[in-house]
Amino acid sequence: GQNIDQPTEMTATEGAIVQINCTYQTSGFNGLFWYQQHAGEAPTFLSYNVLDGLEEKGRFSSFLSRSKGYSYLLLKELQMKDSASYLCAVRDDGYALNFGKGTSLLVTP
Amino acid sequence: IAGITQAPTSQILAAGRRMTLRCTQDMRHNAMYWYRQDLGLGLRLIHYSNTAGTTGKGEVPDGYSVSRANTDDFPLTLASAVPSQTSVYFCASSDSQETGELFFGEGSRLTVL
Repeated sequence: GQNIDQPTEMTATEGAIVQINCTYQTSGFNGLFWYQQHAGEAPTFLSYNVLDGLEEKGRFSSFLSRSKGYSYLLLKELQMKDSASYLCAVRDDGYALNFGKGTSLLVTP
Repeated sequence: IAGITQAPTSQILAAGRRMTLRCTQDMRHNAMYWYRQDLGLGLRLIHYSNTAGTTGKGEVPDGYSVSRANTDDFPLTLASAVPSQTSVYFCASSDSQETGELFFGEGSRLTVL
């Protein structure tokens, strides 16, 4: 079975740093993905980790520890436009992704 | 067309009616997927197709069917719609030769009354 957990909601201040955690228990593992989804829109790809460690892409970074079944998405220099849902997803043995329920991030002035 | 296109964008449907949601991609991706997204439940996989001519069941396949006659098209059919199928439906595709990230269509909002 699949079990992917992430916090339901988070709030952070503009200009700050926020870390969104994701833990997973899956039957197989072939990569962990983070997606951003603004209200009423489709999810868009943010990052991909398949090996342990940190992947940095501009203001966004994603970390993976396969032994702990743990990942986090780090958002730096928060902007108002970063208010969105952030979806953690794991690919197990096939091509499809299994998604967590998402974390709704609210950035306040 | 650039990317992945879904139709209709929105539809209101009477219970018991048949409905087909269309999905077309022009990226020549081998794999395609249908997800539904409901408040508090996240994205759940309905059906998938790893390559043209093959399909498979996801987490919530009951009441839905798919076909994959060619690489580009992956329609989702509700044979007899029920109110619990009210949802936002996302079609997605991926290229297994790359990282396998999913590219999503804009979604189809379906309301079954």
